Amino acid sequence: GDSVTQMEGPVTLSEEAFLTINCTYTATGYPSLFWYVQYPGEGLQLLLKATKADDKGSNKGFEATYRKETTSFHLEKGSVQVSDSAVYFCALGGSNYKLTFGKGTLLTVNP
Amino acid sequence: DVKVTQSSRYLVKRTGEKVFLECVQDMDHENMFWYRQDPGLGLRLIYFSYDVKMKEKGDIPEGYSVSREKKERFSLILESASTNQTSMYLCASSPFRAGNLYEQYFGPGTRLTVT
Repeated sequence: GDSVTQMEGPVTLSEEAFLTINCTYTATGYPSLFWYVQYPGEGLQLLLKATKADDKGSNKGFEATYRKETTSFHLEKGSVQVSDSAVYFCALGGSNYKLTFGKGTLLTVNP
Repeated sequence: DVKVTQSSRYLVKRTGEKVFLECVQDMDHENMFWYRQDPGLGLRLIYFSYDVKMKEKGDIPEGYSVSREKKERFSLILESASTNQTSMYLCASSPFRAGNLYEQYFGPGTRLTVT
């Protein structure tokens, strides 16, 4: 079945550091890929998405590229801020409109 | 903005009680979902519904049931609460439109403790 593996946290960075959170997937067919973010005390919000190979999703300075050859969708940001502290979830859109989520990566950014 | 609301942010119940968690969305979305979120396990799908009175089991439906009598409301029912159902419960909705099938909008969650 479908599955998503993302790097385990927690990840702690200083403000303005470069961020990478790795995500790889297993799926049949041609899934859509997503990054969701959960700020403290809130539900999840869609951060960015890519629907086909080589697509790049971007939002709020975050980027991720759909790499079919490596089955990956790594999240990157060039310069993180304290306000980026949150839990980040990689997700795969498969059959029946369902999302399969990774386990989440807690990011803490210190001033 | 899409708004998904959940009836309670925090709930404490006793073992064996019947528990109702309510979710309401205001954007006329066809699809609605219930997840539970546990540390180290991420989000796991309990049930989903793609239309009124329709439901399908997710990955972990045991011990739960659902009800969708109106399009905007999706209820999760714990028939007899147990301590292993202590968790954060998240409701989500999404529209049935090509290209947006997976863009789920989440409520703030209900943290349920069963003692």
